[in-house]
Amino acid sequence: GPKVLQIPSHQIIDMGQMVTLNCDPVSNHLYFYWYKQILGQQMEFLVNFYNGKVMEKSKLFKDQFSVERPDGSYFTLKIQPTALEDSAVYFCASSGQDTQYFGPGTRLLVL
Amino acid sequence: GDQVEQSPSALSLHEGTGSALRCNFTTTMRAVQWFQQNSRGSLINLFYLASGTKENGRLKSTFNSKESYSTLHIRDAQLEDSGTYFCAADYTEGADRLTFGKGTQLIIQP
Repeated sequence: GPKVLQIPSHQIIDMGQMVTLNCDPVSNHLYFYWYKQILGQQMEFLVNFYNGKVMEKSKLFKDQFSVERPDGSYFTLKIQPTALEDSAVYFCASSGQDTQYFGPGTRLLVL
Repeated sequence: GDQVEQSPSALSLHEGTGSALRCNFTTTMRAVQWFQQNSRGSLINLFYLASGTKENGRLKSTFNSKESYSTLHIRDAQLEDSGTYFCAADYTEGADRLTFGKGTQLIIQP
């Protein structure tokens, strides 16, 4: 089936540093998403993105978070500065008309 | 807010048997997606349903939009079916977002 790629698979950084998570969505998809999963817990929606703009964001999408997709390249989630509670697995997803396809996740550990 | 109640939270089956997982939704919605999260943490798409029933191999899913629930049936369970199964509700039109249940941890025993 359609594949969403995420880079890196793992990232360890010190609290206060900036991190950028990269997502390569399915090539003809127009809608992009980020979700957050803390170990052992359910997946939580962060943000969705369409036509170069954030359409909707949740309360988890703090002011330190930002997303963009410059020139149709990677869809990125940037966290600046990071906090300890940002440690989680971040999943990118993309969709056309309906089904959302998820990447394998980036495991972020903030020390 | 919109919620998804998923049951059971955990389930243990012997190989070759089957069971059903269920999700209840708090309000009407556009569609439901079912996923299997494997031991590596990857989310595998199982079904997208806007209505009715779909079947794929040993899995079958039904979405009753009128009564706001969905089920996932597993038959002839195999060891590789172990993992956490999530349902997710698509409540909104347009640039939608999925609201996930807390998952069912499924263990298949030999």
